[in-house]
Amino acid sequence: QVQLQQSGAELAKPGSSVKISCKASGYTFTSYYISWIKQTTGQGLEYIGYINTGSGGTNYNEKFKGKATLTVDKSSSTAFMQLSSLTPDDSAVYYCAREGGIDYFDYWGQGVMVTVSS
Amino acid sequence: VQMTQSPSYLAASPGESVSISCKASKSISNNLAWYQEKPGKANKLLIHSGSTLQSGTPSRFSGSGSGTDFTLTIRSLESEDFAVYYCQQYNEYPPTFGAGTKLELK
Repeated sequence: QVQLQQSGAELAKPGSSVKISCKASGYTFTSYYISWIKQTTGQGLEYIGYINTGSGGTNYNEKFKGKATLTVDKSSSTAFMQLSSLTPDDSAVYYCAREGGIDYFDYWGQGVMVTVSS
Repeated sequence: VQMTQSPSYLAASPGESVSISCKASKSISNNLAWYQEKPGKANKLLIHSGSTLQSGTPSRFSGSGSGTDFTLTIRSLESEDFAVYYCQQYNEYPPTFGAGTKLELK
């Protein structure tokens, strides 16, 4: 069965970076994009961007350019998102999700809570 | 594209039917999905293309609408249906989500 297993919760200091992972199983990894989505109480669900797992090509929501960097390791069927120059506003739950193109998300990871605090 | 969901909260009893509205700030054709969020579980895609049930979605769920106005209807509520529901448009990039509707047990 399709699964997206995300890494564990992160506690980071302002100004630092974190890199979270999303390991896919149960399907051909390179046949689907992986998207990333941020969830906060105040802003709700926000789309960060996607990575083409076959080519490594990326497309970011303008709001997250410079904040998020998406990469992929095809050999381990794992997608990564690095968040840089962290501020308290980056504290959120981050999800990875599978999509067939620029559309809807048919499988989601369980989410990773990132907390930015000094 | 801004997505406006209503109501934010909805209380109902098992066996009842409920409807959740989702309005887009501009026409999105039928490029709308509905998701269910439950604590401790991965978000679940219920419906895409406005009204197409995703494989595994019970038939008591239905979606309707096109253009700017959409509705998710759940007939004969079951205990497992009490959750938060989100709509999402994918007609324009970036995809955007509604703020969610929390369906609570009355």
